[in-house]
Amino acid sequence: EPEVTQTPSHQVTQMGQEVILRCVPISNHLYFYWYRQILGQKVEFLVSFYNNEISEKSEIFDDQFSVERPDGSNFTLKIRSTKLEDSAMYFCASSQRQGLAEKLFFGSGTQLSVL
Amino acid sequence: ELKVEQNPLFLSMQEGKNYTIYCNYSTTSDRLYWYRQDPGKSLESLFVLLSNGAVKQEGRLMASLDTKARLSTLHITAAVHDLSATYFCAVDKSNGNKLVFGAGTILRVKS
Repeated sequence: EPEVTQTPSHQVTQMGQEVILRCVPISNHLYFYWYRQILGQKVEFLVSFYNNEISEKSEIFDDQFSVERPDGSNFTLKIRSTKLEDSAMYFCASSQRQGLAEKLFFGSGTQLSVL
Repeated sequence: ELKVEQNPLFLSMQEGKNYTIYCNYSTTSDRLYWYRQDPGKSLESLFVLLSNGAVKQEGRLMASLDTKARLSTLHITAAVHDLSATYFCAVDKSNGNKLVFGAGTILRVKS
């Protein structure tokens, strides 16, 4: 079964550094998403992306965050200057369409630790 | 603001027993999802419930949706150890796959 792949699985960085989290969505999917889960807390929506632009973003997704689809297969999340509170598991997801009965397929996540 | 509440948050049950996980949400939505997460793994889609009265079953799991009560249930029948995982419900806030998740229910099935 096709799957969403994310790299790296773990990333450790110093506060203030830039990180890029990478995702390869399922190949015929058109809608891409980032979610995150801080340890012990709920999974939270960050951003959705379609047709090379952001469709929707949450309050968490401030100017420190950006997303990009640099080529036909990758979808990246960049955090410009990481803070301690950015430590979380970041999940990429993709879907073929939006609308009723559309499933989101999630990757296995990147655990980001900011020291 | 849409809130999604699950209970219980932790459930320890014996193999062979039945139990129900509840998911309440605060504003109208016609799309509710159930996901399973194994430790360190991704979120696996279990069910998508689209309308009032929807019921879906897969193996020992059955999910239902009551949009009037803003309540979904995930019923476990004759639990087995392999069902041990964290189960999340999520509601689509905007029909754009902007999901609001519950806190998750950690299920441990003891043999």
